[in-house]
Amino acid sequence: DIQMTQSPSTLSASVGDRVIITCRASQNISIWLAWYQQKPGKAPKVLIYKASSLEGGVPSRFSGSGSGTEFTLTISSLQPDDFATYYCQQYNTYWTFGQGTKVEVK
Amino acid sequence: EVQLVESGGGLVKPGGSLRLSCAASGFAFNTYGLKWVRQAPGKGLEWVSSISTGSSYIYYADSVKGRFTISRDNGKNSLYLQMNSLRTEDTAVYYCARGDGWWDVWGQGTTVTVSS
Repeated sequence: DIQMTQSPSTLSASVGDRVIITCRASQNISIWLAWYQQKPGKAPKVLIYKASSLEGGVPSRFSGSGSGTEFTLTISSLQPDDFATYYCQQYNTYWTFGQGTKVEVK
Repeated sequence: EVQLVESGGGLVKPGGSLRLSCAASGFAFNTYGLKWVRQAPGKGLEWVSSISTGSSYIYYADSVKGRFTISRDNGKNSLYLQMNSLRTEDTAVYYCARGDGWWDVWGQGTTVTVSS
């Protein structure tokens, strides 16, 4: 099974900050990685797919990079609506999520 | 509007059964793979099961294999999850989602509680 490890688990930040979340795969998954945002009581929403492709309607302050086993999600300037939990997901072999990164108010 | 709506959740005793449904609208249902995903209280996301467009390819997470059965009815634009031999650790919000690789449409979720 492919394991996905995100860091950090919790991130304290302020509006306007640049935020970087890292996701590591236990084996090579090429570019088959997606990022999701989830707010309390709501379903997840896809932000990024194929490691760096922005889903339609998602603000351009979100970007993804990486390939192989190391990936990052970057929020260039954190906005009030961005405080949420973020998950990476590999879809190279079945589907596995990282444990999540909660972005909270500093 | 593209939409997935789950139903069928509830309270069930350990060892019991439950059948979840997911009704789709606003898109060509028979052209998309579908998934069930769950989230235990305060925990992360866990893929549960997947079914291809024509039901030829079906996969399960090890945690539910042999107990859960996924199915779909393309004529009714509906996805199902039959859950048998339920355990307390199956307690979660269950979501249906659209997609083969990444998942671009999700339902609002239905809550399953397994408790005596």
